[in-house]
Amino acid sequence: QVQLQESGPGLVKPSETLSLTCTVSGGSVSSGYYYWSWIRQPPGMGLEWIGYIYYSGSTNYNPSLKSRVTISVDTSKNQFSLNLRSVTAADTAVYYCARDDGGIGEFDPWGQGTLVTVSS
Amino acid sequence: QSALTQPASVSGSPGQSITISCTGTSSDVGGYNYVSWYQQHPGRAPKLMIYDVTKRPSEVSNRFSGSKSGNTASLTISGLQAEDEADYYCSSYASTSTCVFGGGTKLTVL
Repeated sequence: QVQLQESGPGLVKPSETLSLTCTVSGGSVSSGYYYWSWIRQPPGMGLEWIGYIYYSGSTNYNPSLKSRVTISVDTSKNQFSLNLRSVTAADTAVYYCARDDGGIGEFDPWGQGTLVTVSS
Repeated sequence: QSALTQPASVSGSPGQSITISCTGTSSDVGGYNYVSWYQQHPGRAPKLMIYDVTKRPSEVSNRFSGSKSGNTASLTISGLQAEDEADYYCSSYASTSTCVFGGGTKLTVL
């Protein structure tokens, strides 16, 4: 059974870069057909799709975040990562990684999520 | 891309049925049969309940069903149980190969 686990700093200063990694176990990020996604949820608010990466390195991002986001994949470590630049308090959220079946917004499974707070 | 529109809250008594709507546009919900529904309990990650508008993962109860008409998708829960109390989110594939979520609906079991 595929499992995903997010890791990274829980506190980031304003204007700096938020960096998170998702480690995949029980399966391979190199599996064809699956896309590997990041989704976030500000406290008390709804879900927001950030973007995805395919094992080949092909990416697609939410237009509202595209200028600040980079998602990368390391097939040798079976991980994929999120970098979000120039963060502000509005980027404070629980960040989830998830597998997307076919790149069509069908997310299963999800990681447990990690809270990232942007504050000085 | 704008978020899909869901009611902020719905409620029902045990044993009853409820329906949650999810309204988008012809560029997302209406244009593709790729609508998913997620259940989220407090402090937990979302769980996939419905995909491809009407399909249900094997581990999900058949009390959950999905449908779509035009630009609006719906999630119906029959035989409400206390454990169904949670937040529910819809999502849809959208043009330019992106994904958009609804704002979420809080289900209260009375």
